[in-house]
Amino acid sequence: GNSVTQMEGPVTLSEEAFLTINCTYTATGYPSLFWYVQYPGEGLQLLLKATKADDKGSNKGFEATYRKETTSFHLEKGSVQVSDSAVYFCALWDSGGSNYKLTFGKGTLLTVNP
Amino acid sequence: DTGVSQDPRHKITKRGQNVTFRCDPISEHNRLYWYRQTLGQGPEFLTYFQNEAQLEKSRLLSDRFSAERPKGSFSTLEIQHTEQGDSAMYLCASSTDGTVYGYTFGSGTRLTVV
Repeated sequence: GNSVTQMEGPVTLSEEAFLTINCTYTATGYPSLFWYVQYPGEGLQLLLKATKADDKGSNKGFEATYRKETTSFHLEKGSVQVSDSAVYFCALWDSGGSNYKLTFGKGTLLTVNP
Repeated sequence: DTGVSQDPRHKITKRGQNVTFRCDPISEHNRLYWYRQTLGQGPEFLTYFQNEAQLEKSRLLSDRFSAERPKGSFSTLEIQHTEQGDSAMYLCASSTDGTVYGYTFGSGTRLTVV
C-alpha cells in the first residue's frame, strides 16, 4: 500500500536558519506529491505540489523536488521566519490506486525562534 | 465563495451522546472528503463523496459513524454513542475531479468527548 514517512520532529530553528524536512514515500503507481501546512488551531493549507518526477514545487520561499530515484520530496527553505512556525505534512496522491485519497505523513512540528 | 466551511469549530460532549458536524464545500467542487486527525498524527481518510454518492468508507468508520451529502451540496457527519476515543479533529475537504491539484480543507471541527 501507499505510505509517507516524514522526519520526526519537533524541529526548532532560529530565525533566518536553513530548513530541511525529509519526506520519503512508497506508492504503487505514479504519485503526485504535496506539502501541506497547518497553523495552530487551523485546518490544512496546500503549500506546494509536484505531479511528476523532477518537478520542483515552490511557494512562499519553500521548495521541494520530486525525486523518483530516491522516492523523496524533501521540503526546504533558505531562511525561515517566526511566522513559518507550524506543522508540515507531506502527502501523496496515487493515480494507480484510489484516485481520490490523499495519504499523509505524521507531520513535523517546526518552531522558529526570534 | 471563501472556501470550505465547517461547523461547529469546537464541540465538547459527554460520552454516549450523539454529535453531528456540518461541512459546506466550495460550490463548484463535486468531491467531498472527511478525514480524522488525532494528536500527533497526520489526517486519516474516513469517507468520500462524489456528488451525492458515498463511494468509499474507511474501516476506521465504525457503525456508529454515518455521513450524508444530500443533493451533492453540504455534508454531515454524525457520531452516535460517542466514546473517548472519538476525540479528534474532524476535517472536511473538497476538490474537483482533478485530485492531482490537491484538496481544499476546512478549518476542522475539534471534538472532545468527556
